[in-house]
Amino acid sequence: SAVISQKPSRDICQRGTSLTIQCQVDSQVTMMFWYRQQPGQSLTLIATANQGSEATYESGFVIDKFPISRPNLTFSTLTVSNMSPEDSSIYLCSVERSDTQYFGPGTRLTVL
Amino acid sequence: GENVEQHPSTLSVQEGDSAVIKCTYSDSASNYFPWYKQELGKRPQLIIDIRSNVGEKKDQRIAVTLNKTAKHFSLHITETQPEDSAVYFCAPHSGSARQLTFGSGTQLTVLP
Repeated sequence: SAVISQKPSRDICQRGTSLTIQCQVDSQVTMMFWYRQQPGQSLTLIATANQGSEATYESGFVIDKFPISRPNLTFSTLTVSNMSPEDSSIYLCSVERSDTQYFGPGTRLTVL
Repeated sequence: GENVEQHPSTLSVQEGDSAVIKCTYSDSASNYFPWYKQELGKRPQLIIDIRSNVGEKKDQRIAVTLNKTAKHFSLHITETQPEDSAVYFCAPHSGSARQLTFGSGTQLTVLP
């Protein structure tokens, strides 16, 4: 299994501001994933974060809006930039172990 | 990429009855077939998985069956209990894919 923590667990932000979400894993992993889960919806992959290289973004997500850092093999951050109410979602990081995906507890973001 | 369809989107059963959720996928290279359970306000967690060399796997009250020819797999829950109430997601993928495409989810409600 994997123990994953995220900070903050929730936040309420004003339109136009940015929020950085932190994700910490209990042991080293090559790839970390960032997902978005809009209210009542499934999970959508935002990007894959690799240590030492730029993140790989999925269709519909761009680096200017969702910059990602991966400074070492146990930590990553996702920033939601220039937020609008449409960014209100739960953001989850995850790692893979033996094909199983393990998720952090999520960050519930509300943008006013 | 993988196209994943999950049915039904909502399912209500009486406590003690059985529930079946079906997931259809498009990528014939998929060889790993997990089901995740997400309770309200919690992170998704793996409950059962199956690999392509096996047709059925059972773990107490839950089972997964796979039909690779027809490209679908199903989650079976017997003797349902109120704590089975949650959203269930399928997420088929191949071993080479390091990210998951989640199904749209099934909201299961077990009525007492």
